Amino acid sequence: DSGVTQTPKHLITATGQRVTLRCSPRSGDLSVYWYQQSLDQGLQFLIQYYNGEERAKGNILERFSAQQFPDLHSELNLSSLELGDSALYFCASSPRTSGGPETQYFGPGTRLLVL
Amino acid sequence: GENVEQHPSTLSVQEGDSAVIKCTYSDSASNYFPWYKQELGKRPQLIIDIRSNVGEKKDQRIAVTLNKTAKHFSLHITETQPEDSAVYFCAANDYKLSFGAGTTVTVRA
Repeated sequence: DSGVTQTPKHLITATGQRVTLRCSPRSGDLSVYWYQQSLDQGLQFLIQYYNGEERAKGNILERFSAQQFPDLHSELNLSSLELGDSALYFCASSPRTSGGPETQYFGPGTRLLVL
Repeated sequence: GENVEQHPSTLSVQEGDSAVIKCTYSDSASNYFPWYKQELGKRPQLIIDIRSNVGEKKDQRIAVTLNKTAKHFSLHITETQPEDSAVYFCAANDYKLSFGAGTTVTVRA
């Protein structure tokens, strides 16, 4: 167990819908990262938050958004869902972001299926 | 941005033999290179990492080597066991983690 928690574990929804994925980082970690893992794309970095502020952006679609709250948990919002958004969504956390790259610890993931 | 290539995509080894996975990266600014192991349907788990000021690191049966000049790094697993069967990902970090496509390792008993 990495100490990173994600809810829900599984999510089934229909095209056009909106869902929210939730992540709680390890105790004391200030940085949260979101990744998408699909069969044909591997692990893709989406976005990073550090202490409530967006820090880095990857291949995140405009239909997707994220935020990190004062208690440091983070939510990833996916809207206007398409079949191709079906994937495993992982959250990872690390203690900070300054002073060089750090080990990221992954949560168990949320499996999203869009029908 | 960073581009990480990983080879081979699949690797089948006899139990007790060694397994080697190789990765190359493109961005010379990358200075942190972790390796993750992922079992089916589970989260990636860090197994070993190396930073750019180190050429080699070992942890029991697992070792990683880094050649910054050539921009490549490798994972070596010795005395493989059935529980080593999984997908292994390399990654390189400049300001974010860029992952290789993964190597599916199968250890034959």
